[in-house]
Amino acid sequence: EAQVTQNPRYLITVTGKKLTVTCSQNMNHEYMSWYRQDPGLGLRQIYYSMNVEVTDKGDVPEGYKVSRKEKRNFPLILESPSPNQTSLYFCASRRQGVTGELFFGEGSRLTVL
Amino acid sequence: QQQVKQSPQSLIVQKGGISIINCAYENTAFDYFPWYQQFPGKGPALLIAIRPDVSEKKEGRFTISFNKSAKQFSLHIMDSQPGDSATYFCAARATITGTASKLTFGTGTRLQVTL
Repeated sequence: EAQVTQNPRYLITVTGKKLTVTCSQNMNHEYMSWYRQDPGLGLRQIYYSMNVEVTDKGDVPEGYKVSRKEKRNFPLILESPSPNQTSLYFCASRRQGVTGELFFGEGSRLTVL
Repeated sequence: QQQVKQSPQSLIVQKGGISIINCAYENTAFDYFPWYQQFPGKGPALLIAIRPDVSEKKEGRFTISFNKSAKQFSLHIMDSQPGDSATYFCAARATITGTASKLTFGTGTRLQVTL
């Protein structure tokens, strides 16, 4: 089954404790991206990757890091989480050149106390 | 700065009624307009999409109406059903360079269809 898998789905952590949210896709997609979803703000892009070893900032990259060492994986790293990073996070992927058709994971709800 | 403005924020429609969600944009470089549907606890999924060279696209009970001159597009759900209750996001794509493109989402509309 074609899918984007995120882990963990739910996480409660404390300020400053580094965490990583993993994302893996089995569709051989070149493009991967991370979004955060907040009430009233919709989906905002954090980082994206056009291919292995190619990453770039989205609209709200502050406080986040990413890496793309393998085509299928695109982890999101919060080096020192803060309460304003409490949000619902989505990883998404698509084939390069395919217009707009993003495939999303089921989301990771993060709470930073 | 919100590049794609979506309204209403929430919508309650009776079963069998028509649900209408509107979006407006400013960037004339946008060249593809998809709508995503998100059920609770799930990620968004592509529902229907339109290019600006057509004024309407219909797939089953879902129709996108596009007004290029007004820079507005809307989603119409005919004969709305309780199973349509979800959050709907409009989006717009702009090509950056070559095959690189960026999708900008609206703020979402939570639709509830009552019996």
